[in-house]
Amino acid sequence: SAVISQKPSRDICQRGTSLTIQCQVDSQVTMMFWYRQQPGQSLTLIATANQGSEATYESGFVIDKFPISRPNLTFSTLTVSNMSPEDSSIYLCSVEDTGSYGYTFGSGTRLTVV
Amino acid sequence: AQTVTQSQPEMSVQEAETVTLSCTYDTSESDYYLFWYKQPPSRQMILVIRQEAYKQQNATENRFSVNFQKAAKSFSLKISDSQLGDAAMYFCAYRTFGGYQKVTFGTGTKLQVIP
Repeated sequence: SAVISQKPSRDICQRGTSLTIQCQVDSQVTMMFWYRQQPGQSLTLIATANQGSEATYESGFVIDKFPISRPNLTFSTLTVSNMSPEDSSIYLCSVEDTGSYGYTFGSGTRLTVV
Repeated sequence: AQTVTQSQPEMSVQEAETVTLSCTYDTSESDYYLFWYKQPPSRQMILVIRQEAYKQQNATENRFSVNFQKAAKSFSLKISDSQLGDAAMYFCAYRTFGGYQKVTFGTGTKLQVIP
């Protein structure tokens, strides 16, 4: 299985600012997925990032709020822009595990907006 | 759209006993994958077990096994000989057959293991 390094692991940010979360994969992957997990809730897909093209966003998520970069096959970033307390969540990146057809996840970023 | 439902927000089990977590899903697809993920307080999502819909045999991984009922669209997880380390949130998940498909998660079941 791929190993994903995600950082930062946690951050406390002021409202109105932006935070960029990074995910580095130890192998080349075609797609990377970004999820949000609000407190006590399940995981909701934000967007799918394919190298060399714009990310595909799920309903309710827009590029201006959650810009994603995918400069190569091992790296992606998610930015949470103009943050409000409602953005306080855990953000996780994931990639497909070609062995199990399941998905491997990063360790998550716990974001608190104050 | 596919949906995944976990009707048990919380469950508890005595250490060394057996517990079953329930999951139902809705799909019009015939080929798909089902998963159970574990999320301990560390937040790391860990794949516990997976099931291919085209396989009739229920998947097992050591103390973890599933009861897959395709016609009923049911996918329960049985944990035998429960251990303290099994305490976590458990998410049932679905993905369509084919490459690079997104995973849809249920709302989760919080499992408490009582010493």
